[in-house]
Amino acid sequence: SYDLTQPPSVSVSPGQTASITCSGDKLGDKYACWYQQKPGQSPVLVIYQDTKRPSGIPERFSGSNSGNTATLTVSGTQAMDEADYYCQAWDNSTVVFGGGTKLTVL
Amino acid sequence: QVQLQESGPGLVKPSETLFLTCAVSGYSISSGYYWGWIRQPPGKGLEWIGSIYHGGSAYYNPSLKSRVTISIDTSKNHFSLRLSSVTAADTAVYYCARARISGDYLSDYWGQGTLVTVSS
Repeated sequence: SYDLTQPPSVSVSPGQTASITCSGDKLGDKYACWYQQKPGQSPVLVIYQDTKRPSGIPERFSGSNSGNTATLTVSGTQAMDEADYYCQAWDNSTVVFGGGTKLTVL
Repeated sequence: QVQLQESGPGLVKPSETLFLTCAVSGYSISSGYYWGWIRQPPGKGLEWIGSIYHGGSAYYNPSLKSRVTISIDTSKNHFSLRLSSVTAADTAVYYCARARISGDYLSDYWGQGTLVTVSS
């Protein structure tokens, strides 16, 4: 089965840039998407097809995907961005989620 | 505005079958898209269960495939999840979501989730 690996936690100071990685074998050959989940809430799609933002998602959220790693970048991080973030890919007709990364805004 | 709402028992006994329904409003499920189920054990990450198209074609998580059936009822604009032979490991918040499959897979609208506890 295909696995996606994320760091359990990432910390960032307000206003700084946070990067959350997602690693998988030849992940760059697939599309990655990212979900944000705040406590007690449903996940929200923030990035799809590696780099695209759905309507309503702030421009400070961006994504990239190359080689074995997809990256979610949050520029000018705000307190409201503190949440769990999950990467997800589609492999062999199966949806695979990363284990999730808790982003803490200190 | 597309809205999804899960419903079903909050408590299921071990070895029994879990059955949930997801009612969709603001969009006709026969118009397209896939419709899926995802779960999240308390304090843990997301796990995809499976997805179905209005025509009936479905994809399932291989690790759950032997116990899962997802069905769709276009006349009621809802779809359902059946998970058999449940154990405590199936305790989770269950989400339904609308999904697009086009070279990739994404879920753009999610329900609020419903907690299902497996316990005697």
